[in-house]
Amino acid sequence: GENVEQHPSTLSVQEGDSAVIKCTYSDSASNYFPWYKQELGKRPQLIIDIRSNVGEKKDQRIAVTLNKTAKHFSLHITETQPEDSAVYFCAASPNNNNDMRFGAGTRLTVKP
Amino acid sequence: EPEVTQTPSHQVTQMGQEVILRCVPISNHLYFYWYRQILGQKVEFLVSFYNNEISEKSEIFDDQFSVERPDGSNFTLKIRSTKLEDSAMYFCASSGTGLTNEKLFFGSGTQLSVL
Repeated sequence: GENVEQHPSTLSVQEGDSAVIKCTYSDSASNYFPWYKQELGKRPQLIIDIRSNVGEKKDQRIAVTLNKTAKHFSLHITETQPEDSAVYFCAASPNNNNDMRFGAGTRLTVKP
Repeated sequence: EPEVTQTPSHQVTQMGQEVILRCVPISNHLYFYWYRQILGQKVEFLVSFYNNEISEKSEIFDDQFSVERPDGSNFTLKIRSTKLEDSAMYFCASSGTGLTNEKLFFGSGTQLSVL
């Protein structure tokens, strides 16, 4: 099955700096790559997703890039704010959300 | 925005007991999922369900687990004989058609503690 690796496990940045989180996946059949933000004790919330027919997607301060050849995708957050502090999970799905596999998560801390 | 709801929010049980975790997916959604998250670890896929049958299940979803859609609104996860290592947050999720990669809506979770 799919195996998703995520790095780094923790990331600390100053407010206003950029943050980058990287993931790799193993199953070349994976075609959907969502990113979730999970605040302490709360449910995962989708923040952005990308499909395999697109190389990059941007939504305000958040962008995601996908390199299908290398099987890796990244989340970029610019102009970070303290409220961006959370655990971020990448995920990959080969079959329309079925059997979606998550990365181990990155704990992002944005220092004011 | 519509929400997936889960009950109870917390469940404490003794090892060996059966538990049923309940979920009400978003009303017009067709695909339903269970995930679990052991404290401080990643979210893990357990099972997906469509058209009254399991679509996919992970290696975690063994014979101790079962899912059911007993009526038109509820989606349940049953653990027959709980073990200490079943202690985790269990998230239900649903999505629309499943035919294209759509947003997964997660419930707020049930924290299961097995003593």
